[in-house]
Amino acid sequence: DIQMTQYPSTLSASVGDRVTITCRASQSLNSYLAWYQQKPGKAPDSLIYRTSNLESGVPSRFSGSASETEFTLTIDSLQPEDFATYYCQQYRSYPWTFGGGTKVEMK
Amino acid sequence: QITLKESGPTLVKPTQTLTLTCTFSGFSLSDPDVGVGWVRQPPGRALEWLAVIHWNEVKHHRPDLNGRLTITKDTSKNQVVLILTNVDPVDTATYFCARRLIWRGMDYWGQGTLVTVSS
Repeated sequence: DIQMTQYPSTLSASVGDRVTITCRASQSLNSYLAWYQQKPGKAPDSLIYRTSNLESGVPSRFSGSASETEFTLTIDSLQPEDFATYYCQQYRSYPWTFGGGTKVEMK
Repeated sequence: QITLKESGPTLVKPTQTLTLTCTFSGFSLSDPDVGVGWVRQPPGRALEWLAVIHWNEVKHHRPDLNGRLTITKDTSKNQVVLILTNVDPVDTATYFCARRLIWRGMDYWGQGTLVTVSS
């Protein structure tokens, strides 16, 4: 199984900050990585697929990138509605696996 | 408009069988490159992928559930069914279904249904 190590587990930030969340995969993903945002009591929302492609309707302040097996979600200028938990997920091979999540909380 | 909705029991006793149904609209599981998957989330914990079934009947599930999982589809009813046998309190979770397109993640999700396993 491909292991996804996501960090930090918690991140304290303020509105307007630039935020970076990282996922490290235990092997190559060939770009098959997605990012999701989840708010309390809600289903996840898809933000990014194939490492860097924004889903329709996702604000451009969200971006994704990768360097080998390290994947990054960046939020430029954090907005109040961005306080949530974020998950990465690999779909390079089965079983699909998620990172442990990063909770972005208000500083 | 694409929607998915999970349905099933909210309370199940240990050793019983859990059957969850995902009813969707706005797409068809006869469309190429389409699949429907299941993900669960124990209270306060991370997401955990369970299974997926595709338009061409190809299916996959997590192997560490020791054969307890079955996923099937009824294309005519726009439904996907997940069956989990011999449930245990550790199976207590919110269960989500979601659509996926080949080469992409899961782009549309149901609202989720909380299932509690308790005697």
